[in-house]
Amino acid sequence: KAGVTQTPRYLIKTRGQQVTLSCSPISGHRSVSWYQQTPGQGLQFLFEYFSETQRNKGNFPGRFSGRQFSNSRSEMNVSTLELGDSALYLCASSPRAGAPDTQYFGPGTRLTVL
Amino acid sequence: AQTVTQSQPEMSVQEAETVTLSCTYDTSENNYYLFWYKQPPSRQMILVIRQEAYKQQNATENRFSVNFQKAAKSFSLKISDSQLGDTAMYFCAFMGETSGSRLTFGEGTQLTVNP
Repeated sequence: KAGVTQTPRYLIKTRGQQVTLSCSPISGHRSVSWYQQTPGQGLQFLFEYFSETQRNKGNFPGRFSGRQFSNSRSEMNVSTLELGDSALYLCASSPRAGAPDTQYFGPGTRLTVL
Repeated sequence: AQTVTQSQPEMSVQEAETVTLSCTYDTSENNYYLFWYKQPPSRQMILVIRQEAYKQQNATENRFSVNFQKAAKSFSLKISDSQLGDTAMYFCAFMGETSGSRLTFGEGTQLTVNP
């Protein structure tokens, strides 16, 4: 099976812009979670989607949003970018939502905000 | 809220030797799951090993094994016969039964295997 894929791999944006990141889960996986990784804050949970519904949300401002499509692919959007949004954004998929399934991660999208 | 602590920011080991990475956690849940992930320079997060809290037997995966002490809330990772390819950042992670699929990660331990 192909692994989790994320596009694009690298992005450079300027403050105030918005950005959309994409994640395709492992075939058959229906749950997609997003994490932000920064040197200062480490790995932090953003949100989880299952069956096109947000099931769980971390402590991030409303500028961070996401959605999931019927084929389980997910996108996350960050509006009004700030310098502090520079990070590696990781997507993970698992078969079910709300279940203790192992999460499998994609290679990440490196976002740089100038 | 759950917390995960890795008290060793950096460690190094000689090739073929054994090294143990430490992890402690805090939770009020009785049933949960613990993981070790590695993140090499490529930044791809790779599952190393998984432990269910209700299982008393420590998990093993080839050269990787854990020492799970539920009462002490400790979950250490032992790497035997270390290889150069084991050089990576290692993260301990917690998933509670009531937290859905959310993983709570520790700060990470940078492991360097020296030839």
